[in-house]
Amino acid sequence: EVQLVQSGAEVKKPEESLKISCKGSGYSFTNYWIGWVRQMPGKGLEWMGMIYPGDSDIRYSLSFQGQVTISADKSISTAYLQWSSLKASDTAMYYCARKINAQLAGLNFDYWGQGTLVTVSS
Amino acid sequence: QSALTQPASVSGSPGQSITISCTGTSRDVGAYNYVSWYQQYPGKAPKLMIYDVSNRPSGVSNRFSGSKSDNTASLTISGLQAEDEADYYCSSYTGSSTLGVFGTGTKVTVL
Repeated sequence: EVQLVQSGAEVKKPEESLKISCKGSGYSFTNYWIGWVRQMPGKGLEWMGMIYPGDSDIRYSLSFQGQVTISADKSISTAYLQWSSLKASDTAMYYCARKINAQLAGLNFDYWGQGTLVTVSS
Repeated sequence: QSALTQPASVSGSPGQSITISCTGTSRDVGAYNYVSWYQQYPGKAPKLMIYDVSNRPSGVSNRFSGSKSDNTASLTISGLQAEDEADYYCSSYTGSSTLGVFGTGTKVTVL
């Protein structure tokens, strides 16, 4: 069974750093893109970027380029999303998701993590 | 990259059919056959309902269907059921440099 299990909720202060994780199981982790999606409270979905763990090819949405860092450790089938300096506006639910195939084209994510709620408040 | 435009809300009675539109441009929806649709219940992760304009993943009811004409994609839910009440989002590929964008989202209400 394909599963993506994300790390738990975080409460951080502005300017702190954070790294959240997404562990894949039940499939070949290196053969599928893993994407990250933000959902701010009461708002819609926003695509942030994605990584192909097989060769560490990383693509960012222009809106999030330079704001976050996506990485992966294929030895433990885990993808990461990190911030070096959080802002209050980073408060949101963050989902990881697996693309349905190895093709780059399309935001077609067939399996999703349960989400990680990040709260940034002084 | 601007979000694709969806109606804020669509409603219908049980058994009816409804259609949700997703309007983009000639640089996204109109340029590629890579439109996906997601269903999201409150507090839950999204679920892929349609990909590549009209393909249904395994396990998704055939009451859900997708199509595209020019710069507008559509999701049709036929035989509307109470369990279809949720938020729905479209997405489209936007090319190899920007990759993709989601729609603004539509709340479906079953009357």
